Amino acid sequence: DAGVTQSPTHLIKTRGQQVTLRCSPISGHKSVSWYQQVLGQGPQFIFQYYEKEERGRGNFPDRFSARQFPNYSSELNVNALLLGDSALYLCASSTLREHQPQHFGDGTRLSIL
Amino acid sequence: DQQVKQNSPSLSVQEGRISILNCDYTNSMFDYFLWYKKYPAEGPTFLISISSIKDKNEDGRFTVFLNKSAKHLSLHIVPSQPGDSAVYFCAASARLGYGGSQGNLIFGKGTKLSVKP
Repeated sequence: DAGVTQSPTHLIKTRGQQVTLRCSPISGHKSVSWYQQVLGQGPQFIFQYYEKEERGRGNFPDRFSARQFPNYSSELNVNALLLGDSALYLCASSTLREHQPQHFGDGTRLSIL
Repeated sequence: DQQVKQNSPSLSVQEGRISILNCDYTNSMFDYFLWYKKYPAEGPTFLISISSIKDKNEDGRFTVFLNKSAKHLSLHIVPSQPGDSAVYFCAASARLGYGGSQGNLIFGKGTKLSVKP
């Protein structure tokens, strides 16, 4: 079975641009979560979606938005990019059932110049 | 305000010996705890988890212990192998309301484990 897939794997943008990252969950998983990981830190929660509804949002500015599609795939959008947005963006999928783990993709490495 | 803390940035052990990675948490609402392993250029890989109703969970060479009164959990790897060298993240989550779904993960900063041959 395919795991969580993310695209693209790497991306280079300049300040002020906009970016869209994509994620396909494990088959059968209806929930997708997004995390940001900067060097030396653990992943930080950005969004959680379940059945196309936003279930939770972390402490990130409104420049960050996301959506989930009927096939449970998801997109993360970041507008007006700042140098500080340079990070590894991770997508995780799960069933959201009690005491079930989230499974992560390999991430998108975003570099802002 | 870190809700999940891994106070050891790195740990070095000899092949065949036991590796013990520690994690502390502050939020008493957490009811599910997980360990992930991360290699460079890969995403975190789920390793083992434990719910708050248990104090131990074992899977092969990996055992997680939970001490709720101390708000402390640990991961034991026995015997340690060179392929275990990676960054290990402790994570925790709480349920969204009684009987609700599992919420987002809160991660520690990670511990880099080096297993020397």
